[in-house]
Amino acid sequence: EAGVAQSPRYKIIEKRQSVAFWCNPISGHATLYWYQQILGQGPKLLIQFQNNGVVDDSQLPKDRFSAERLKGVDSTLKIQPAKLEDSAVYLCASRNTGQGLNTEAFFGQGTRLTVV
Amino acid sequence: DAKTTQPNSMESNEEEPVHLPCNHSTISGTDYIHWYRQLPSQGPEYVIHGLTSNVNNRMASLAIAEDRKSSTLILHRATLRDAAVYYCILRGYSGGSNYKLTFGKGTLLTVNP
Repeated sequence: EAGVAQSPRYKIIEKRQSVAFWCNPISGHATLYWYQQILGQGPKLLIQFQNNGVVDDSQLPKDRFSAERLKGVDSTLKIQPAKLEDSAVYLCASRNTGQGLNTEAFFGQGTRLTVV
Repeated sequence: DAKTTQPNSMESNEEEPVHLPCNHSTISGTDYIHWYRQLPSQGPEYVIHGLTSNVNNRMASLAIAEDRKSSTLILHRATLRDAAVYYCILRGYSGGSNYKLTFGKGTLLTVNP
């Protein structure tokens, strides 16, 4: 089966600019996660969707970050305005909740954002 | 979320077994133990998970202590392709059929040829 697709793979922007990342999860996967991974650290959950509803966004910096999953399939994550500390890899993952509570999450390759 | 403690790094030789430890002394009775690994420049990938009993799959084995306060991921014969950061995660419950994965820093495994 096709994996989780993310684009772009790389992005360089200046601070205070805006940027958007796109994620296409595995077909049929109701749960979608966005993670931020700063160099040398483990991924940090930003937001979790179940279909088009938000399950957990407790660690999303809502003053500058936003995410949506309008039709319960693709998702976009936006940063506006970007700060230097937003430089990181942004990972999207999806999971098939219809097969039980312990199904694995599948991750995309991520988008590497550099803010200069 | 209950926390896990892993060594920052470990080293192994190719074709030898590797035992990656994880301590999770605050684990609750319903927490599942998940392991993921992250190859260089890739997103994390699932390795194995378990609750109480030891588990085996094509990638690895998971040995869980009787008191569940620690577990060990076992790679039976390490290859160069197993060089990665290995994350031990306690599956946190988000409600309904959801869970979230809270990653720590993981263990960087180096495999020597």
